[in-house]
Amino acid sequence: GQNIDQPTEMTATEGAIVQINCTYQTSGFNGLFWYQQHAGEAPTFLSYNVLDGLEEKGRFSSFLSRSKGYSYLLLKELQMKDSASYLCAVKDSNYQLIWGAGTKLIIKP
Amino acid sequence: GAVVSQHPSRVICKSGTSVKIECRSLDFQATTMFWYRQFPKQSLMLMATSNEGSKATYEQGVEKDKFLINHASLTLSTLTVTSAHPEDSSFYICSARPPGEVSPLHFGNGTRLTVT
Repeated sequence: GQNIDQPTEMTATEGAIVQINCTYQTSGFNGLFWYQQHAGEAPTFLSYNVLDGLEEKGRFSSFLSRSKGYSYLLLKELQMKDSASYLCAVKDSNYQLIWGAGTKLIIKP
Repeated sequence: GAVVSQHPSRVICKSGTSVKIECRSLDFQATTMFWYRQFPKQSLMLMATSNEGSKATYEQGVEKDKFLINHASLTLSTLTVTSAHPEDSSFYICSARPPGEVSPLHFGNGTRLTVT
């Protein structure tokens, strides 16, 4: 079966750096997405990786290793507003999106 | 950037009634739209894929007669929850992808449905 694993919850301090990992086993791979979802709101797109390596976008970076079935989202200079759930999603060989359960990130002052 | 509008954002209805939720792509045409449901503290669950001009494709376990989907134009899909029950109370979110293979999904703001 297809599976995406993320930690359920993480806690970090304001101003610090946090890395949220995502491992996947899917039938084929056509890209990996990271979304941010604040409580009670819809997800918003953060990043997309289809080739191995690091994609940087401001305070957020996303890394992919296709051979390891692994990605991480790196958040720098954490702000209180970064408290949210972060969803990892993989597009499989049928171009269907497979979603992880999300990682709830709690930022403490 | 691509915008998806969803309406209403919040609705309360009585058991047995029907509720219609609209999803519009405002600045692009979407031949396909996706309807998700999300229960508290759980991840997104794809309910169905809405196809313009043809029948929707439902995920396993989703009752097509209960969750009616109509995709009558390239910018509008509707989800109607028929004969709603309290267990249908959830957060319903639509999404669409602008043209282009690598375009990400863009989500509407979601509809919080409460059935009393």
